[in-house]
Amino acid sequence: EIVLTQSPATLSLSPGERATLSCRASQSVSNYLAWYQQKPGQAPRLLICDASDRATGIPARFSGSGSGSDFTLTISSLEPEDFAVYYCQHRSTWPLTFGGGTRVEIK
Amino acid sequence: EVHLLESGGALVQPGGSLRLSCVGSGFTFSDYAMSWVRQAPGKGLEWVSHVTGTGVTTTYADSVRGRFTISRDTSKNTLFLQMDSLSTEDTAVYYCVKEKRFHYMEDWGRGTTVTVSS
Repeated sequence: EIVLTQSPATLSLSPGERATLSCRASQSVSNYLAWYQQKPGQAPRLLICDASDRATGIPARFSGSGSGSDFTLTISSLEPEDFAVYYCQHRSTWPLTFGGGTRVEIK
Repeated sequence: EVHLLESGGALVQPGGSLRLSCVGSGFTFSDYAMSWVRQAPGKGLEWVSHVTGTGVTTTYADSVRGRFTISRDTSKNTLFLQMDSLSTEDTAVYYCVKEKRFHYMEDWGRGTTVTVSS
């Protein structure tokens, strides 16, 4: 099973600041990685797939990068609605696994 | 617009069974693979099971293999998850998910809550 480790666990930032979230895989997943956003009481929402492709309707301030084992989700300038929990997920092999999440909170 | 509506969540005793359902609309149901993803209270996301668009091929997480069975009825646009031998560790919100190409979770239902407790 591929383990995805997200860091930091919590990121405390102010609106307008840049957020940089990390996801590290225990072995290479090529570029087969997605990012999701989840707000309290809501289902997750797909943001990025194949490491860097924004899903339909996702604002350009969200960008993904990386390949192999190290990936980054960047939010260029945080909007109030971006404070949430973010998860990465690989699709390289079965089983599919998610990272433990990074909470982006208002500082 | 894609819509996924889960049902069937309940309070059940350890060792019991439950069947979850998910009705999909707004897309051609048989064209898409589907998954169940769960989230224990206050915890992260855990992929549970996957089924291809035809329903022929199924895949399971180790934690549920042999106890859970995923299936679909294309004529009724409905996805199922039969859950047997439930334990307290199965307590979670269960989400029905329509997959984007090759196992990304594109569209999610609101979830249905399963509580396993005596």
